[in-house]
Amino acid sequence: QPVLTQPPSASGTPGQRVSISCSGSGSNIGSNTVTWYQQLPGTAPKLLIYSNHQRPSGVPDRFSGSKSGTSASLAISGLQPEDEADYFCAAWDDSVDSWVFGGGTKLTVL
Amino acid sequence: EVQLVESGGGLVQPGGSLRLSCAVSGFSVSTNYMNWVRQAPGKGLEWVSLIYYDGDRFYADSVKGRFTISRDNSSNTLFLQMHSLRPEDTAVYYCAREVTSYHEASGYSNWFDPWGQGTLVTVSS
Repeated sequence: QPVLTQPPSASGTPGQRVSISCSGSGSNIGSNTVTWYQQLPGTAPKLLIYSNHQRPSGVPDRFSGSKSGTSASLAISGLQPEDEADYFCAAWDDSVDSWVFGGGTKLTVL
Repeated sequence: EVQLVESGGGLVQPGGSLRLSCAVSGFSVSTNYMNWVRQAPGKGLEWVSLIYYDGDRFYADSVKGRFTISRDNSSNTLFLQMHSLRPEDTAVYYCAREVTSYHEASGYSNWFDPWGQGTLVTVSS
């Protein structure tokens, strides 16, 4: 059972804005920064958002991240067909000295 | 160019052993935090193990006592030695560099970048 909680699925039409939540606890999200990874079908995960809201070079500004208390959120605006992928949140957990992930959210672009 | 290439996966019987390798180019494994993360078929990501540049090691409870992470600085390679393998260890295993950064406003921040392409381990009789 994943330590961080994400909705299993999300969907939207091209151009829409979608949001994916990630809920944790004081020992992980509440104490450390959150990272988001994008996994396109059949490929390895790729860094999407780090330090709660920072975007690596090459990631479009349509992707944004935020964190409040023990929850985080990934928002995708101007949804495009190529955004169809699995999205995972992650954080270090101080109580167990390990990285913890969300179960992943499968985003479908209708 | 920064690149991580895993190898060593395959089919192994329950109770067997396997050693995974992650050949790194573009940076040094000896001065970076390095991780193994796995993904069972159709499932999410699960962190497996971490080795600090000073040699400290951390393991997920699910593999503690059975898996050992190590590195060879001369070949710039990360390893994962796996013993007493179980069917539930079946997964694609990824190696990933852990980047760490400090900002006065938010403290330390860590993330995985880049990731290798993964190697499949299948534990089955």
